[in-house]
Amino acid sequence: AQSVTQLGSHVSVSEGALVLLRCNYSSSVPPYLFWYVQYPNQGLQLLLKYTSAATLVKGINGFEAEFKKSETSFHLTKPSAHMRDAAEYFCAVRITGANNLFFGTGTRLTVIP
Amino acid sequence: KAGVTQTPRYLIKTRGQQVTLSCSPISGHRSVSWYQQTPGQGLQFLFEYFSETQRNKGNFPGRFSGRQFSNSRSEMNVSTLELGDSALYLCASSLEASSYNEQFFGPGTRLTVL
Repeated sequence: AQSVTQLGSHVSVSEGALVLLRCNYSSSVPPYLFWYVQYPNQGLQLLLKYTSAATLVKGINGFEAEFKKSETSFHLTKPSAHMRDAAEYFCAVRITGANNLFFGTGTRLTVIP
Repeated sequence: KAGVTQTPRYLIKTRGQQVTLSCSPISGHRSVSWYQQTPGQGLQFLFEYFSETQRNKGNFPGRFSGRQFSNSRSEMNVSTLELGDSALYLCASSLEASSYNEQFFGPGTRLTVL
């Protein structure tokens, strides 16, 4: 069965500090992996996606993620947090042959000024 | 290009009623998926439509149904509403029904069941 686990439902960082949001996946076949961000009262916006082209994926707003098959991980990072990064972040997986996404439980990022 | 639009944005219903939510995908997109978001269960897949046919369905009771029209617009219907149906319902569209196509999400319809 395919699923994702996000460690830490809440993460707080100081403005300018490194952001690290963790995601581990469980899939019996090579997955497609995604990170989405959700701002209050809004839908989901795609930050980046892994589709096997490159293990280090760069996304929007300075975020990037590295696919590590040996660790079944796809952690999201950003070198320097901004206040505008405060939001909820979701890791999602999609397997070959299916279009629907399986989401993690989300991590709420707070940025402290 | 206009994004995914969902109407209405907010809805209040009472138990036992039924509700219809609407989703207009991005122009040219033929696949529409629906998700339910609740604090307790998180984001869960409801169903996916492509070319007016349901391709995939999540683990929800038959009270949840949907359809897609020839212009790719989609509606979902929930009959005999229960308190637990209170949620944010998100619609997502993609170009094709393919694993690597990006899904673009609408702002959602927030349904409150009293």
